[in-house]
Amino acid sequence: KNEVEQSPQNLTAQEGEFITINCSYSVGISALHWLQQHPGGGIVSLFMLSSGKKKHGRLIATINIQEKHSSLHITASHPRDSAVYICAVRGSGSRLTFGEGTQLTVNP
Amino acid sequence: DTGVSQDPRHKITKRGQNVTFRCDPISEHNRLYWYRQTLGQGPEFLTYFQNEAQLEKSRLLSDRFSAERPKGSFSTLEIQRTEQGDSAMYLCASSLEGTDGYTFGSGTRLTVV
Repeated sequence: KNEVEQSPQNLTAQEGEFITINCSYSVGISALHWLQQHPGGGIVSLFMLSSGKKKHGRLIATINIQEKHSSLHITASHPRDSAVYICAVRGSGSRLTFGEGTQLTVNP
Repeated sequence: DTGVSQDPRHKITKRGQNVTFRCDPISEHNRLYWYRQTLGQGPEFLTYFQNEAQLEKSRLLSDRFSAERPKGSFSTLEIQRTEQGDSAMYLCASSLEGTDGYTFGSGTRLTVV
């Protein structure tokens, strides 16, 4: 079992739908990151969380430390949101441990 | 500062050749990381530096791989005698000690033919 599990692996939505991507982890963490990766490879950091909830535009990220679970929500999804979304956790060290990513496709 | 820069963006090489990639981190960041990502997978940790010291290496980093950060600024990752299994995206990231923020580069995509 991977230390970081994401679900679903693939998600197809229609423009305007509310989207949720889930991340569960099995280790103690100091921070959790949600990342976005477009074709071509570059990774953009969306959120860094250690507790509670953060919001940026149409994106919302929540984390429940006790349950070792985080969710990324996208409201009013748009085709330009199509990308791979990756959850990554930082434990006691400096490195990140990544989930396998969720491929999101938003159709017009 | 334009973020984390990686060079080249793409590299195609023949099996058995040596390749070297470069990463220029954000200038204020004293930590630099290398990760490898194969198709359909999340990135995997290879190694990281704090200033010029290489503090941790993954067991994924075989003897054919070596990384340096000689002056605590840019870093190079060299792969000797490349194999087809080395084909992947090699990602560099940097951070500042004591903070959790990470900045990633655009990656170097290596194809070994």
